[in-house]
Amino acid sequence: KNEVEQSPQNLTAQEGEFITINCSYSVGISALHWLQQHPGGGIVSLFMLSSGKKKHGRLIATINIQEKHSSLHITASHPRDSAVYICAVGSRNQFYFGTGTSLTVIP
Amino acid sequence: DAGVIQSPRHEVTEMGQEVTLRCKPISGHNSLFWYRQTMMRGLELLIYFNNNVPIDDSGMPEDRFSAKMPNASFSTLKIQPSEPRDSAVYFCASSLTAMNTEAFFGQGTRLTVV
Repeated sequence: KNEVEQSPQNLTAQEGEFITINCSYSVGISALHWLQQHPGGGIVSLFMLSSGKKKHGRLIATINIQEKHSSLHITASHPRDSAVYICAVGSRNQFYFGTGTSLTVIP
Repeated sequence: DAGVIQSPRHEVTEMGQEVTLRCKPISGHNSLFWYRQTMMRGLELLIYFNNNVPIDDSGMPEDRFSAKMPNASFSTLKIQPSEPRDSAVYFCASSLTAMNTEAFFGQGTRLTVV
């Protein structure tokens, strides 16, 4: 069993749609990270959360510690949002990664 | 700051050769991470350092892999001898602290072992 599960694995959306990517984890965590990897391969850290909600532009990340669940929302999606989104959690001295959600936004 | 700097960007080497990957973290960051990414296994943490000290190396696949951080501004990941299954993209990242701060990634080193 993976410590971090993401859904969906693949997602195709029309430009402008509201998108939600989910992450569930089974370990106690210090923090949860959302990462974005573009087709060129570079990785960018989007959010680091330990509670509540964070917003950056069109991106919103929420976490529910009791339910061990986090969501990444993208409002008014755009083709440049096409990327792989990876959920990662830090637990004690270890890190665990989801397998990623591949998002394609069609113009 | 220029961000996390990795070198080389691409490396092609023959099986059995020693490979050294290099990373310069962001100045002032106390934690440094080495990751490997493959199609089959996704992103994996190999090892991370806090204040130049290795904290968790449980992700290092085997004795052929070693990592050092001789000072706060430099780290190496060495594979000796290299094997074709080591072909992957290796990322280095740094952050202010290990657990509760945002990590910044380098551009990665694409390693191909033939």
